[in-house]
Amino acid sequence: DVKVTQSSRYLVKRTGEKVFLECVQDMDHENMFWYRQDPGLGLRLIYFSYDVKMKEKGDIPEGYSVSREKKERFSLILESASTNQTSMYLCASSLLDRESPFSGANVLTFGAGSRLTVL
Amino acid sequence: QQPVQSPQAVILREGEDAVINCSSSKALYSVHWYRQKHGEAPIFLMILLKGGEQKGHDKISASFNEKKQQSSLYLTASQLSYSGTYFCGTEAAGNQFYFGTGTSLTVIP
Repeated sequence: DVKVTQSSRYLVKRTGEKVFLECVQDMDHENMFWYRQDPGLGLRLIYFSYDVKMKEKGDIPEGYSVSREKKERFSLILESASTNQTSMYLCASSLLDRESPFSGANVLTFGAGSRLTVL
Repeated sequence: QQPVQSPQAVILREGEDAVINCSSSKALYSVHWYRQKHGEAPIFLMILLKGGEQKGHDKISASFNEKKQQSSLYLTASQLSYSGTYFCGTEAAGNQFYFGTGTSLTVIP
């Protein structure tokens, strides 16, 4: 069974702390994504990566950075956590169809989410 | 770049029908639909790849109007198991994948 695993389901951090959210997938997917989910705002794309060491900004990258040193792992980093970063964070992955990169046929598989509270 | 969904929330009785709409300001290559139950990861429902394409799964179907940059999800004769938050997802150039604002659907007995 294919899986996207997020290392922590619940985290509580203090303002100013550095926070690492880890995501690992075992499907050999090229694409990996980080979203944050807030009530009424849906899923907003923070960063995504389509290859090792490659990263692209989504809609709300401010205050976040990412790291992809290995294909299976995509980390989200909050350099200095703030209370407005309290949220549910979802990681997802998908195949990259090089034959038809915009075919839209690449279904996203999500992790269970990491709920971060910043005090 | 985030698609907009409507309505934001809907409550249905078992057996009633519902329509969820998804609109984008950008040209759409495709539209995906996902459902998320409380406390769980979103799961894939269906993809629509071509303008005008309609797909169905059980009593859930969807249409895609490429010209209007819109998609609609139709839930017919709703069941309790349909409860959850529904998201449309759209693929943009550069492998970016954006989700909509979400629609909370509650089916009551």
